[in-house]
Amino acid sequence: SAVISQKPSRDICQRGTSLTIQCQVDSQVTMMFWYRQQPGQSLTLIATANQGSEATYESGFVIDKFPISRPNLTFSTLTVSNMSPEDSSIYLCSGKRGGSEKLFFGSGTQLSVL
Amino acid sequence: EDKVVQSPLSLVVHEGDTVTLNCSYEVTNFRSLLWYKQEKKAPTFLFMLTSSGIEKKSGRLSSILDKKELFSILNITATQTGDSAVYLCAVEEGTYKYIFGTGTRLKVLA
Repeated sequence: SAVISQKPSRDICQRGTSLTIQCQVDSQVTMMFWYRQQPGQSLTLIATANQGSEATYESGFVIDKFPISRPNLTFSTLTVSNMSPEDSSIYLCSGKRGGSEKLFFGSGTQLSVL
Repeated sequence: EDKVVQSPLSLVVHEGDTVTLNCSYEVTNFRSLLWYKQEKKAPTFLFMLTSSGIEKKSGRLSSILDKKELFSILNITATQTGDSAVYLCAVEEGTYKYIFGTGTRLKVLA
């Protein structure tokens, strides 16, 4: 199956700053998604990254806070903007090649905001 | 409201024990159910189930789906310390929407 390289693996950031997380897939995927996993919680979908157009955000998530880019079928970025301690989470990108394929994940980014 | 519920929330066993993890769901438009193992950050894929009654097996792990009773189980036999992880169940609802359970945290003691 495809492999997603995600970076950075972890970061400690100051309140009010922004962090951009990158994901590179080793083959083309139809769909890419960004998830957040807060401490002790399950995965929550932030948005679907659409190739060449604006991402589709889930309820409770907005583009100004989590801008997403997907310039092609193998690469996407998520920016966490104007961070606060409540943004401390694991952020995961994921991909899916086709309708009957499994969802697979990048290696994750552990973000801590001070 | 669509939901996925896993039980137990946590489990501590000794090496060699057999464990059964449960996942029940209520979704409007079921497509598939997936199991993942999460040791640190990244969930790693275990199984994808779409049909009732067909067991999927990989080494000491196996899983089965019951679409009538709306649940799945994940069995791990002869557990090892390396099986210690959070096991996540996810249901694909409609097209490309995944609903995740809160996970079962398994700890295997030597």
